[in-house]
Amino acid sequence: SQQGEEDPQALSIQEGENATMNCSYKTSINNLQWYRQNSGRGLVHLILIRSNEREKHSGRLRVTLDTSKKSSSLLITASRAADTASYFCATDINTDKLIFGTGTRLQVFP
Amino acid sequence: DVKVTQSSRYLVKRTGEKVFLECVQDMDHENMFWYRQDPGLGLRLIYFSYDVKMKEKGDIPEGYSVSREKKERFSLILESASTNQTSMYLCASSPTGVPREQYFGPGTRLTVT
Repeated sequence: SQQGEEDPQALSIQEGENATMNCSYKTSINNLQWYRQNSGRGLVHLILIRSNEREKHSGRLRVTLDTSKKSSSLLITASRAADTASYFCATDINTDKLIFGTGTRLQVFP
Repeated sequence: DVKVTQSSRYLVKRTGEKVFLECVQDMDHENMFWYRQDPGLGLRLIYFSYDVKMKEKGDIPEGYSVSREKKERFSLILESASTNQTSMYLCASSPTGVPREQYFGPGTRLTVT
């Protein structure tokens, strides 16, 4: 049961540009998390935003959450080639499971 | 640092073989998960365990079983491997309760021929 849908499915940018990825979900959430996956590897947790928060920052990452629109965005500023990866949103609907979206593949060209 | 390890990075098995995928975590987490990941489909939950000997079916349990005899170890079993089970398998663990951040292993890429 897919809860999160990321948009776009794929994104290509040059180093130094900003990358924005969006996530939409269907039901009320406890929190929303973003994960990163390098090619052929496991996922790594990046940032978590709670349902009562609107914006959160971590280094070059900025996450926003709009619960009225059931959507979130992840902004990576001043991107680097090393940011090339797939990015997934995951929603916590107050069980011990997370529901992952289908991901955005980001390619950053040097 | 939390560490989740999986027994193999790459595995090639033949149709009909019984396959065991092992996952071990070292942070005393109550919850452990098995996902499969296929292009365009994201992560799909196969099974979830919230305690030793306790398990719950995920979204796609057919063709799979699991075993959790010890808290740190969660095994995924393919009783009779089929070609449509060729996939990337990811194990994860998390503590119970919020914020429920999951910690992932490196994945096992299984090919069934």
